[in-house]
Amino acid sequence: DIQMTQSPSSLSASVGDRVTITCQASQDINNYLNWYQQKPGKAPKLLIYDASNLEPGVPSRFSGSGSGTDFTFTINSLQPEDIATYHCQQYDNFPLFGPGTTVHVK
Amino acid sequence: QVQLQESGPGLVKPSQTLSLTCTVSGGSISTTGYHWTWIRQHPGKGLEWIGNIYYTGSTYYKPSLKSRIIISVDTSKNQFSLKLRSVTAADTAVYYCARRRQLFAFDIWGQGATVTVSS
Repeated sequence: DIQMTQSPSSLSASVGDRVTITCQASQDINNYLNWYQQKPGKAPKLLIYDASNLEPGVPSRFSGSGSGTDFTFTINSLQPEDIATYHCQQYDNFPLFGPGTTVHVK
Repeated sequence: QVQLQESGPGLVKPSQTLSLTCTVSGGSISTTGYHWTWIRQHPGKGLEWIGNIYYTGSTYYKPSLKSRIIISVDTSKNQFSLKLRSVTAADTAVYYCARRRQLFAFDIWGQGATVTVSS
């Protein structure tokens, strides 16, 4: 089975910083990767689909890139409302989520 | 717009069956191209896909849970349901229903239902 790793598991950043999260698959998943934002006590929200496509209505400071086994999620200019846990999700054989990265304000 | 809402008991005894229903509003569960999904999140943990169903009744389950789960759909009520039998404490989680569009992007989620397995 495909394994997903995500790093870092948590990070602290200041408002206005650029934040980068990586997700790695144990085997090639093409661009079959999505990114979600989950605020405490809330359901996840789809931000990026197919590795690099911004979901309609999502601010353009969010972006994704990568293909194959290595993927990157970036927040350009972190905003206070971006404090959340971010999950990657692949869909090769069946959907599998990464362990998540929690973003804190420094 | 389409909204999803989970409902069901918040407490289930060990060895019994967990039953949850997701009601779809603002749109038809029979819309082509969308699959209706259950996902859970153990306390303080990541997300786990459980399975999904198409309005035709076609299902796809996570292999490791397949022997214990049944997902069904009632198009007349615009609802789909999850049954997970023989539960243990390890099944304690927040259970989400979600809409899956093509290529497994979960674009609409319910608010989540907390289910605790305890005697």
